[in-house]
Amino acid sequence: SQQGEEDPQALSIQEGENATMNCSYKTSINNLQWYRQNSGRGLVHLILIRSNEREKHSGRLRVTLDTSKKSSSLLITASRAADTASYFCATGRPDYKLSFGAGTTVTVRA
Amino acid sequence: DSGVTQTPKHLITATGQRVTLRCSPRSGDLSVYWYQQSLDQGLQFLIQYYNGEERAKGNILERFSAQQFPDLHSELNLSSLELGDSALYFCASSVREGNSPLHFGNGTRLTVT
Repeated sequence: SQQGEEDPQALSIQEGENATMNCSYKTSINNLQWYRQNSGRGLVHLILIRSNEREKHSGRLRVTLDTSKKSSSLLITASRAADTASYFCATGRPDYKLSFGAGTTVTVRA
Repeated sequence: DSGVTQTPKHLITATGQRVTLRCSPRSGDLSVYWYQQSLDQGLQFLIQYYNGEERAKGNILERFSAQQFPDLHSELNLSSLELGDSALYFCASSVREGNSPLHFGNGTRLTVT
């Protein structure tokens, strides 16, 4: 079963715009991770935020975590065509399993 | 390049057959994970090994089995294949067990006809 659920399922934006996607989960977590998957390729780890952290930045990525609402958001600023991909959140659970959501498909239009 | 190698890249086989998927983890990583990705089920965790020992099991069917060898490479065996087993099978590795970032291979695309 999947722990995280991403919202929206799909997102289409213009190059240069920001893209925001959300992840909700159900149980307690040790950390939450975001991954990117280009079509037909393996997932690539983007960023990890621990359960005691509220915000984290990495380049054009900004992740927030609200454990009281059991939700996280990923913001990609100044999007580029190369950002076109599927984005997955993954919850690192206390039983050490990492559960992935269904993903958000992002299309960046030139 | 993640450093995780999966072979073969593509596999086409018939129902009822058995196949073996192979994974070499990134150098230095002791933990290996197997995931199945299909359009209707998303990314499903199958099984995890750490330094040769099974550590966690997910939604792995009894027809599927896996092992991690002393050189840390891993194999996923799928038997009595059904049409519904058609999917992308990913191997991932991490340095430690337990919620560490995963490094994914590019997967094996299995088509059962």
